Amino acid sequence: NAGVMQNPRHLVRRRGQEARLRCSPMKGHSHVYWYRQLPEEGLKFMVYLQKENIIDESGMPKERFSAEFPKEGPSILRIQQVVRGDSAAYFCASSPPASGNNEQFFGPGTRLTVL
Amino acid sequence: KQEVTQIPAALSVPEGENLVLNCSFTDSAIYNLQWFRQDPGKGLTSLLLIQSSQREQTSGRLNASLDKSSGRSTLYIAASQPGDSATYLCAVKRAGGTSYGKLTFGQGTILTVHP
Repeated sequence: NAGVMQNPRHLVRRRGQEARLRCSPMKGHSHVYWYRQLPEEGLKFMVYLQKENIIDESGMPKERFSAEFPKEGPSILRIQQVVRGDSAAYFCASSPPASGNNEQFFGPGTRLTVL
Repeated sequence: KQEVTQIPAALSVPEGENLVLNCSFTDSAIYNLQWFRQDPGKGLTSLLLIQSSQREQTSGRLNASLDKSSGRSTLYIAASQPGDSATYLCAVKRAGGTSYGKLTFGQGTILTVHP
């Protein structure tokens, strides 16, 4: 059973470009979470999704950031018009349907560098 | 608002020592608590998960305890080895509400075990 997969692992963008980060949850997992780790800071929650639904986006910046988890395919975190402050490691986690153990399993992360 | 604090921020010990990492949280209404390990430039590896109804969990040389009423958890590492060197993160999941899935992380403890 493959773990949580994220791609790309490293992404370089120039200011003003768009960044698309992909996350494939573990097989059988229907809950996806995105977290951001800024340099010298801890991990901060961004958004929690189930298939075709955003459940909690309380940690998402109000502008330029969006997330989706379509019926088919990976979850996508999209950052429009990137700025240098968006440079960070973005982690995706998944967990099984809510029944008992809701342990979250993390992917290797995507390290975004904005030039 | 839930706040998670980890003490110490950094710890350096000789190989073979037993050590304790501390985690405290301000809101005791938690669903569960997870301890993670993060190696430099890597993702998070889940070490132990304690449900709110449990007092401790053990895996190999690791033992985690939870005192929900006082808002504290400790991670005990027995007979430390250089391979244990990493950042250890504590995270709590709030019980109920719209933030059901979200994990709130501490800043981590950077552990160095030298030979």
